[in-house]
Amino acid sequence: DTEVTQTPKHLVMGMTNKKSLKCEQHMGHRAMYWYKQKAKKPPELMFVYSYEKLSINESVPSRFSPECPNSSLLNLHLHALQPEDSALYLCASSPQGAQGYSPLHFGNGTRLTVT
Amino acid sequence: DAKTTQPNSMESNEEEPVHLPCNHSTISGTDYIHWYRQLPSQGPEYVIHGLTSNVNNRMASLAIAEDRKSSTLILHRATLRDAAVYYCIQRSGTYKYIFGTGTRLKVLA
Repeated sequence: DTEVTQTPKHLVMGMTNKKSLKCEQHMGHRAMYWYKQKAKKPPELMFVYSYEKLSINESVPSRFSPECPNSSLLNLHLHALQPEDSALYLCASSPQGAQGYSPLHFGNGTRLTVT
Repeated sequence: DAKTTQPNSMESNEEEPVHLPCNHSTISGTDYIHWYRQLPSQGPEYVIHGLTSNVNNRMASLAIAEDRKSSTLILHRATLRDAAVYYCIQRSGTYKYIFGTGTRLKVLA
């Protein structure tokens, strides 16, 4: 079992819906990440939070809105998505620090389908 | 931006060693090299990392070229459970973990 929990595991939504993806970790990590993974492709970085502040936004469209309410939780709010946004959305966390040996701990993802 | 390239797929016989290569020609002096693997229907999991020296852990070994523009992940005895997609990752800065193209490893019984 992974120490990073993502809910829901699967989500189907229409293009006019609003939904949220949730991610939780209790390892005391202070950096949290959202990645998007299309089929047979590597994960692509979307957002990074460090100490609950947004540190990196990889030019992600505004229909994706991240939120980090506290150091254990990370949300991704979805609104007016397109069918091409269908993908596996992965959450990860890592210990805070500048050293290179901060491995990412991934959840098993939310499989999103936009109809 | 950082860019790493890997062969699309490789095959190995069970119980034999596997060498998975990665090119990271844009790497800078402070970028760490990480390797992760992803089993079907799971998130990626950490395998090993290094900066300049070769590294060993219980899962694998990592050999880093002297110019650091390439590295090789070595699985000493492949098992059927090692069948996965293996990603080489350049860590640029504190938080930018940029995944390589990935190698799908098939292990033959």
